[in-house]
Amino acid sequence: AQSVTQLGSHVSVSEGALVLLRCNYSSSVPPYLFWYVQYPNQGLQLLLKYTSAATLVKGINGFEAEFKKSETSFHLTKPSAHMSDAAEYFCAVSESGYSTLTFGKGTMLLVSP
Amino acid sequence: DAGITQSPRHKVTETGTPVTLRCHQTENHRYMYWYRQDPGHGLRLIHYSYGVKDTDKGEVSDGYSVSRSKTEDFLLTLESATSSQTSVYFCAIRPGLAESTGELFFGEGSRLTVL
Repeated sequence: AQSVTQLGSHVSVSEGALVLLRCNYSSSVPPYLFWYVQYPNQGLQLLLKYTSAATLVKGINGFEAEFKKSETSFHLTKPSAHMSDAAEYFCAVSESGYSTLTFGKGTMLLVSP
Repeated sequence: DAGITQSPRHKVTETGTPVTLRCHQTENHRYMYWYRQDPGHGLRLIHYSYGVKDTDKGEVSDGYSVSRSKTEDFLLTLESATSSQTSVYFCAIRPGLAESTGELFFGEGSRLTVL
C-alpha cells in the first residue's frame, strides 16, 4: 500500500528565506508524486508532479521538487519565500497514472515579514 | 479552471438527517472522486467513479454512498448524518489528458456541519 509522510504540520519562514517542505513516500512500485497547494477556503491547486521523467521537477510560483529514490523523498523547495506563499501544502502519491491518489496530512507554511 | 461545481458550498444539518452533495463537471471526464478533508488527516478518499454507474470505495467509505447516473454528475449521500461527518468535502476529476499521469483537479469544496 502507498503512503505519504509530511514532516512538520507547520513550517515558519521569514520572507526571502528558503522554503523546504519535506515529503517521504512509501510505494511498492515506482511512484507518481505530486505537490498541491491550498489557500484558505479554496480547493487544492496542483503545484508540480513527478511521473518518472526528470528527477528535478519545476512547478508554478517558483517551486521545485527533487525525486530521490534512495531516500524515498520528494521534498518541495523555493529559494525565496514570499508572503503570498503562505498556504497549506499537500504531498500525494499514486502507484500509476490510473490509481487513486493518497495524500499526506499537509504542512502549513507561515511566512513572516 | 477544471469546470467543477460543487453544491451546496455550505450546509448545516442535524444528526440523523440525510444529506446529498453534488459534484457537476462540464467536460465529460471519466474519473471523478470524493475526498473529505479534516485537520490533522489531510485528504482521505471516500468513493470514486470511473464511469456512469461504475463506482468503488475509498479508505473512508463507511456511512457514505455515491451515485453516478450521468457522466457530468457525481453525488455523495450521507444516509444518516453523524457529527463525525462534519468536514469539508472535495470533489475532484482526472482529466482525460491526465489519465496516464495521474493528477487530479479539485472543486472549491463543500463545508458540512452536522449538529
